[in-house]
Amino acid sequence: QLQLQESGSGLVKPSQTLSLTCAVSGGSLTSGGYSWNWIRQPPGKGLEWIGYISPSGSTYYNPSLKSRVTISVDRSKNQFSLRLTSVTAADTAVYYCARAGMSLGSYFFDYWGQGTLVTVSS
Amino acid sequence: EIVLTQSPGTLSLSPGERATLSCRASQSVSSSYLAWYQQKPGQAPRLLIYGASSRATGIPDRFSGSGSGTDFTLTISRLEPEDFAVYYCQQFGNSPLFGPGTKVDLK
Repeated sequence: QLQLQESGSGLVKPSQTLSLTCAVSGGSLTSGGYSWNWIRQPPGKGLEWIGYISPSGSTYYNPSLKSRVTISVDRSKNQFSLRLTSVTAADTAVYYCARAGMSLGSYFFDYWGQGTLVTVSS
Repeated sequence: EIVLTQSPGTLSLSPGERATLSCRASQSVSSSYLAWYQQKPGQAPRLLIYGASSRATGIPDRFSGSGSGTDFTLTISRLEPEDFAVYYCQQFGNSPLFGPGTKVDLK
């Protein structure tokens, strides 16, 4: 059974960089045609897709966050990471990592981590 | 840029009742790229429906999805106590996008 687990700093100061890692177990990041995604949810609000990285290492980001986001992969550790620079209070959210799967031409987020709360505060 | 709108914002129902949730896109969306998720407090979203109408693995058949173009529907035929949650539609285009959600709560 595939499992995803987020880790990283739960408290980040304004203007600094948020860094999170998603460890994948029960499967390989490099197998299959899956993409590996970050999604966030501010407290009490809806879901916002941040971006993804493919097994080949190509990335695609939400245009609204593109200038501040970097997603990278460490194949040796079977994990992928998120960096978000110049954070403000608006970046306070639960951050999820998720796999995008595909079946019969349909795409969807089928496996999710449990989420980790990141608070931006001085 | 596609915008997803979900209605109603809150649906107050009793166990055993039928729930009908709407998701409307500002422009046509491929049915292949439309999914529904359920989220309970403190939990990650769970995939219910993909391809507008296909149930994900392990999802009970009281959940069904339909629609095409700009109008999609999630139906829960008979609400069970564990179905009270927030439901999100999502389109999987170049830039995946979630709707604002519909909360199904206890009447």
